Amino acid sequence: AQKITQTQPGMFVQEKEAVTLDCTYDTSDPSYGLFWYKQPSSGEMIFLIYQGSYDQQNATEGRYSLNFQKARKSANLVISASQLGDSAMYFCAMRGLDTGRRALTFGSGTRLQVQP
Amino acid sequence: NAGVTQTPKFQVLKTGQSMTLQCAQDMNHNSMYWYRQDPGMGLRLIYYSASEGTTDKGEVPNGYNVSRLNKREFSLRLESAAPSQTSVYFCASRDSQVHWETQYFGPGTRLLVL
Repeated sequence: AQKITQTQPGMFVQEKEAVTLDCTYDTSDPSYGLFWYKQPSSGEMIFLIYQGSYDQQNATEGRYSLNFQKARKSANLVISASQLGDSAMYFCAMRGLDTGRRALTFGSGTRLQVQP
Repeated sequence: NAGVTQTPKFQVLKTGQSMTLQCAQDMNHNSMYWYRQDPGMGLRLIYYSASEGTTDKGEVPNGYNVSRLNKREFSLRLESAAPSQTSVYFCASRDSQVHWETQYFGPGTRLLVL
């Protein structure tokens, strides 16, 4: 079984500042992937970044980076230089890479509000 | 290239009515999924299809049926809608040949059951 925990229901950040959204996970899969998605108020799910459990380096995609600490089972999303358009719900998700199903397990999300 | 499309975008049903949510993808993906998202929660898997002709239950399958009509299309049917099925439904697809590949989501269907 897999479980994702996002302990911050809501976060505020000032425009142009960096923010970290927390994600911890639990899994029995030896090989797994961690994902972050953004859901703006319009409702669509937008893929942001991926981290494989065997990747040696932390993933980065533009202003997004993933602070992956395998021993702590955490995969925090860092958004640098926040913009007003970053205001949205953010979901951490994972799936096993060796299991046949490979469906995602999601956390409950963090609502980020960027203030001018 | 439309990606993943879903119809309808919004639907209101009365308790006991039936309906089918349609999903299609044009990315030649093998795997397709149906999720539901309730207020304040993440997405939960209803059913998935690893390939054409196969389907399997996810975390919350009760009250739903699915059909993988062909490689492109994966439909979700509510035989007798209940207020507890009020939710936003997302269809997703993925290239199962690439182990790290993300899932691509449709825009969602908002369903209200009265």
